[in-house]
Amino acid sequence: AQSVAQPEDQVNVAEGNPLTVKCTYSVSGNPYLFWYVQYPNRGLQFLLKYITGDNLVKGSYGFEAEFNKSQTSFHLKKPSALVSDSALYFCAVRAPMDSNYQLIWGAGTKLIIKP
Amino acid sequence: ETGVTQTPRHLVMGMTNKKSLKCEQHLGHNAMYWYKQSAKKPLELMFVYSLEERVENNSVPSRFSPECPNSSHLFLHLHTLQPEDSALYLCASSRTSGGPDTQYFGPGTRLTVL
Repeated sequence: AQSVAQPEDQVNVAEGNPLTVKCTYSVSGNPYLFWYVQYPNRGLQFLLKYITGDNLVKGSYGFEAEFNKSQTSFHLKKPSALVSDSALYFCAVRAPMDSNYQLIWGAGTKLIIKP
Repeated sequence: ETGVTQTPRHLVMGMTNKKSLKCEQHLGHNAMYWYKQSAKKPLELMFVYSLEERVENNSVPSRFSPECPNSSHLFLHLHTLQPEDSALYLCASSRTSGGPDTQYFGPGTRLTVL
């Protein structure tokens, strides 16, 4: 079955340190990959997506993600964390043979940035 | 978050009530979605409308009834809900280019069923 895994329920990082939020997937074919962020009492906000081309994708708020086909991963990264980055992060994947509307979602990772 | 708006933001209802959630998108998109978000679980896609036609219905109980009168508005009509239906209900919209279009979300309606 096709799936997305975010192996860490929570990630704690000190402000100013680099952060990584992990995402691995299991889908057929070449996937389309997305990251979203959800702040408390808000909807999901789009951060970035990988469609094709350069494996390193840059997105909003200084975030970037690297597509690694051999490891079937799409980890979200930021060189220097801010307290305001504390939020819930979701990885999502669209398998190329799936409906245009169906995304496979991870369960989310809570990111806590400590001052 | 002005691109996709949802009302009400919070709703408390009894199991015998009938209520409706409203979503409006101002992005010129022609696909709209309803999702259910429960704590520590992946988002669950409920319904998708494209060009005002329902294109996805993911085995959602009939106590949830969607309506899409035009490409900018989407409703979710609720009746005889169960306590396990308590969740955050998110609306989203996207283009329908046939490719991996980005979905843009509203702030959600926090629903509590007593």
